[in-house]
Formats: sequence, C-alpha cells, structure tokens
Amino acid sequence: DAGITQSPRHKVTETGTPVTLRCHQTENHRYMYWYRQDPGHGLRLIHYSYGVKDTDKGEVSDGYSVSRSKTEDFLLTLESATSSQTSVYFCAISDSPPYEQYFGPGTRLTVT
Amino acid sequence: AQSVTQPDIHITVSEGASLELRCNYSYGATPYLFWYVQSPGQGLQLLLKYFSGDTLVQGIKGFEAEFKRSQSSFNLRKPSVHWSDAAEYFCAVANTDKLIFGTGTRLQVFP
Repeated sequence: DAGITQSPRHKVTETGTPVTLRCHQTENHRYMYWYRQDPGHGLRLIHYSYGVKDTDKGEVSDGYSVSRSKTEDFLLTLESATSSQTSVYFCAISDSPPYEQYFGPGTRLTVT
Repeated sequence: AQSVTQPDIHITVSEGASLELRCNYSYGATPYLFWYVQSPGQGLQLLLKYFSGDTLVQGIKGFEAEFKRSQSSFNLRKPSVHWSDAAEYFCAVANTDKLIFGTGTRLQVFP
C-alpha cells in the first residue's frame, strides 16, 4: 500500500470554527489531491497540488483553502466550517498524471 | 465537459453469480480509464486501469474490464462473485492531471 496517512481520522467541530486536515505521504509523489465524498455524489475534487507551493482549484473549492510547503504534506483548511462541509475527506497522491491515484484512509468530519 | 456515468446505483447478486458493472464516459480524446473499489470505512483501492492496447484488461481480485470505444463504455466484470466483493465501485476517467469519478455502484452479495 502507498504510504499515505491522514489526520485526524475523525473530527467533530462546531459551525464557524476553523479546521485543518493533514495529508502526509512517504512516496515522494509530485501530485496530491483533496476530495470529499458524499452519498449520491461520488468523489468530488476540492483542490490539488502539482508541486511544492503549486496548487489549483477543483470543482468544489469554495470555502476551502490548501497549502503545500513540503513535498510530503498537503493541508486542507476550512476557514469557517459550515454544516454543508460535513463529509468524508480523502487525500490521494499520484506520481505522473494521468496515471493512477492512491488514496488515504479518509477523515470523517462532522460540523454541528 | 468530461463526465462519467454509472447508471446502476445499487446491484444485488448471489454469491457465485457473474457480475457486470456499467460505466459510460464522455471524453474527446483517447481516455485513460480506471476502476476503484471501496470497502466500508476504507479508502479507495485501484482494481484496474486502461491506457491503451488490448481492450480487455485484467485487474486484481479476479476482475476484468473491457474498453469499447464505439459505446464509450468501460464495464467491469467478474465471472463468480464472492461475499468479500461487497463494496462500492467507482469508475473514473483521467482529465489531464485530474480524475473524474462516477457516482459509484454499491454491490450487495447474498449468500
């Protein structure tokens, strides 16, 4: 299995609070991705990174920001969490798109 | 715009029966296609991929998929389903440096 970890694995937070999710890889892959998974929607891309400090938006980027200061870490921040951001968040990595992506175990976030 | 359609939200089969999960894509150029599986509470695992060449590709866990350009399809098949195959299955197409996923098909297996 690809070396991808996500932290925390579970989090409950209140509306309006900031939240940061971390994705860490040990594969030295160039690309990293953040998705959210919701019933009936499959996986939707939030943001992705194609190198240190190089990021771009996905289809559902509103309300989210990302940072990548090191190859191995990709952070997803919800500046002010809302109930609509309750979801399961997955990180993925890829060496050379359009090749396959490898996924982390996910973070279940609940915003009350 | 590129898209992936999985028309079956939920499929139920008996253990030992054959399986076919449907996937249709919309993409202008030669597509790179993938099937992933997600067991409950887990991340996604790559089952197989198609980039070029032989249109019948073999994957892990006894799965195979056939690329049919004329039908814009990439259906996943397995000759005999095991109870452990119960999971959600996602088809995806590569779009430059991103993947576009279908909404998934949940497979239930009865003994």
